[in-house]
Amino acid sequence: EVQLVESGGGLVQPGRSLRLSCAASGFTFDDYAMHWVRQAPGKGLEWVSGISWNSGSIGYADSVKGRFTISRDNAKNSLYLQMNSLRAEDTVLYYCAKDMRYDSSGYYQDWGQGTLVSVSS
Amino acid sequence: QSALTQPASVSGSPGQSITISCTGTSSDVGGYNYVSWYQQNPGKAPKLMIYDVSNRPSGVSNRFSGSKSGNTASLTISGLQAEDEADYYCSSYTSSSTLFGGGTKLTVL
Repeated sequence: EVQLVESGGGLVQPGRSLRLSCAASGFTFDDYAMHWVRQAPGKGLEWVSGISWNSGSIGYADSVKGRFTISRDNAKNSLYLQMNSLRAEDTVLYYCAKDMRYDSSGYYQDWGQGTLVSVSS
Repeated sequence: QSALTQPASVSGSPGQSITISCTGTSSDVGGYNYVSWYQQNPGKAPKLMIYDVSNRPSGVSNRFSGSKSGNTASLTISGLQAEDEADYYCSSYTSSSTLFGGGTKLTVL
């Protein structure tokens, strides 16, 4: 059974940094691209960033480009999102999502339960 | 990167069919066959229902079908059931990013 467990969320002041982690199990982690997708309470989904199986291809939404960095450690079956210069509008639930394919297809076949980030002074 | 356009809500009675539209541009929906649909129940993570415009992942009911014409993709649910009541999101993948629609709330009357 595929399991994706996010951690690292919490309350942080504007301008500060936070690092999210996603621990994966139940599948061969380095066979798949991985993504971060976020959702504000009661709002729609927003793709944040994606990374291919070997980290050779990385993409970001314009809203986070230059502030967020995605990475993965295939030896540890883990996905990360380093978030810098956080803003109030980054206050959302962050999901870790497994792609259907090794290179990004945009199809998120499995999802974690999410970790909540709150940016407030 | 503008979001794809979906109706805010649709409704139907049990047994009926409904269709949810998803309108983009020639740079996303119209330019690629990487369209997908997700179902999300309250407090839960989204579930992939359709990929590659019209393919169903294993385990998804064949009551769910997808199509595309030009810059508009559509999700059709036939034989509507109470358990289908949820939020539905379309998505289109381009070479550099993924766009989601704003979501459609399906109410089963």
